[in-house]
Amino acid sequence: EAQVTQNPRYLITVTGKKLTVTCSQNMNHEYMSWYRQDPGLGLRQIYYSMNVEVTDKGDVPEGYKVSRKEKRNFPLILESPSPNQTSLYFCASKGAYQETQYFGPGTRLLVL
Amino acid sequence: AQKITQTQPGMFVQEKEAVTLDCTYDTSDQSYGLFWYKQPSSGEMIFLIYQGSYDEQNATEGRYSLNFQKARKSANLVISASQLGDSAMYFCAMRGVSNAGNNRKLIWGLGTSLAVNP
Repeated sequence: EAQVTQNPRYLITVTGKKLTVTCSQNMNHEYMSWYRQDPGLGLRQIYYSMNVEVTDKGDVPEGYKVSRKEKRNFPLILESPSPNQTSLYFCASKGAYQETQYFGPGTRLLVL
Repeated sequence: AQKITQTQPGMFVQEKEAVTLDCTYDTSDQSYGLFWYKQPSSGEMIFLIYQGSYDEQNATEGRYSLNFQKARKSANLVISASQLGDSAMYFCAMRGVSNAGNNRKLIWGLGTSLAVNP
């Protein structure tokens, strides 16, 4: 089954404790992206990647890091999480010649 | 600046009736794409339908159709024969164009909450 997976789905952590949210897709998609969803602000892009080893900032990159060492994986790293990073996070992917982005199931993060 | 506006925070519809969810957009680009996604209470983001700016026909996918009026910059979603499982948040989104030219980020509206009554 073609899909985007994220782990963990739910995470409660404390300020300053480094964490990684994994994202993996099995559709051989070149483009991958991270969004965060916050009430009243909608979805905003954090980082994106056009292909392996090619990443760039989105609209709200502060406090986040990403890497793209393999085509299928695009982890999101929070080196020192803060409460304002409490949010619902989505990973998305699409093929180079496709329009539609497919989303993972989301990761609900609470930073205390 | 590119922007998506969804003016209906919440909508109610009777089961089996049709409902239209409004979406207007603002862009100066000639080439763009418009999307609708569904987000049920479980949280996942489900792709429903896509319309390209050069597509002459309105997009349809099963019970979903997109009423695309280019001159009015509107891309309304029509759901026919509503079902209880259609109760969810619905988001309109537009493919943006970054300064780099290759970022295919989506620009999102704030959503419409649809409740289907039995």
